[in-house]
Amino acid sequence: DTEVTQTPKHLVMGMTNKKSLKCEQHMGHRAMYWYKQKAKKPPELMFVYSYEKLSINESVPSRFSPECPNSSLLNLHLHALQPEDSALYLCASSRGVDTYGYTFGSGTRLTVV
Amino acid sequence: SQQGEEDPQALSIQEGENATMNCSYKTSINNLQWYRQNSGRGLVHLILIRSNEREKHSGRLRVTLDTSKKSSSLLITASRAADTASYFCATRMDSSYKLIFGSGTRLLVRP
Repeated sequence: DTEVTQTPKHLVMGMTNKKSLKCEQHMGHRAMYWYKQKAKKPPELMFVYSYEKLSINESVPSRFSPECPNSSLLNLHLHALQPEDSALYLCASSRGVDTYGYTFGSGTRLTVV
Repeated sequence: SQQGEEDPQALSIQEGENATMNCSYKTSINNLQWYRQNSGRGLVHLILIRSNEREKHSGRLRVTLDTSKKSSSLLITASRAADTASYFCATRMDSSYKLIFGSGTRLLVRP
């Protein structure tokens, strides 16, 4: 298995809703990432988990809450989002730091109404 | 935060021609990577070049790295319509897990 699987592919939520994005990989990668990408912009790093521990939080608002239940799963819990949070949310994983690239999922396209 | 700028922002070429994209970055790096993204979906890793390497090849791709100028280039030879996509460079600083993407180049290959 050489994929990162993200669910759902599309999500529409209201500003008072609570929802979660899910990400799964079975490649034995020990680092996992959340990126946010707005239209025609590059991906922006949100969170990094290394060995199931949060190692980087890029000053992301608390309405985004990451969770890494085990080495294969990564969740992003969403609560009280704003319309400007509408974006493509990408999950990625990597084996190491120096030699390997990232494997990205196909993303969740989130619309906040 | 965005580490680098890519040039050009958009490129339109005829099938069979070569495409060259350039990336400049600001701080010292551990490695530099190139990714392709089709239609706003997931990114695909193309090639990684370490800071002590100057050139790397993979199929029709050739990447160069000039650390003194803090710049890299991606050359796609004999382009195909299927190469139409956005291309991003991304840099990793030191041994951090932080990978920061450049602004991207949108490539259109006309049949």
